Amino acid sequence: QQQVKQSPQSLIVQKGGISIINCAYENTAFDYFPWYQQFPGKGPALLIAIRPDVSEKKEGRFTISFNKSAKQFSLHIMDSQPGDSATYFCAASMGYALNFGKGTSLLVTP
Amino acid sequence: KAGVTQTPRYLIKTRGQQVTLSCSPISGHRSVSWYQQTPGQGLQFLFEYFSETQRNKGNFPGRFSGRQFSNSRSEMNVSTLELGDSALYLCASSLQGRDTQYFGPGTRLTVL
Repeated sequence: QQQVKQSPQSLIVQKGGISIINCAYENTAFDYFPWYQQFPGKGPALLIAIRPDVSEKKEGRFTISFNKSAKQFSLHIMDSQPGDSATYFCAASMGYALNFGKGTSLLVTP
Repeated sequence: KAGVTQTPRYLIKTRGQQVTLSCSPISGHRSVSWYQQTPGQGLQFLFEYFSETQRNKGNFPGRFSGRQFSNSRSEMNVSTLELGDSALYLCASSLQGRDTQYFGPGTRLTVL
């Protein structure tokens, strides 16, 4: 059973646009929500993470919005660039294991 | 600091064989986790080791096993390989386990 549901599966955004990826979870015991970025042939790299005591966290062009009551969180990439083209994974954890979403393949066109 | 390293990077085996993958964590990190990544199932947690002890295990058959050495390096073993074991096996390290996990580049296993 997929504990974290991620959408959309793929996304095409023009350069300069906003990319939005959404995730939903069921287990209210989750207390750590990271986003990872993965390029072909590489392992996932941590992009940004949030804990449920805050509703938003921003790092550069990347923002996580967190809605505890709806059990949803999302990644916003502002001013998307072709170099942002990668697969993005949301995850949730309550301990040592990360439960990943299925991933979103983002393509930013010039 | 050097990142997480995994060896080998690529491996081809046949059904029924066994395989051992190796992971060297970031210096100072004591927790090592293993994940399997496939196009169909995505990233799935295999197990996590801390101070040579397995603390957590995912929902995988007993053919998948691992261990951790006193220097925090870890190995995972898959016995009696099946075609469905073809995947990218990722190792991640963290200081204590409940903090940021840093992933290695993975070992691409192909089972023929």
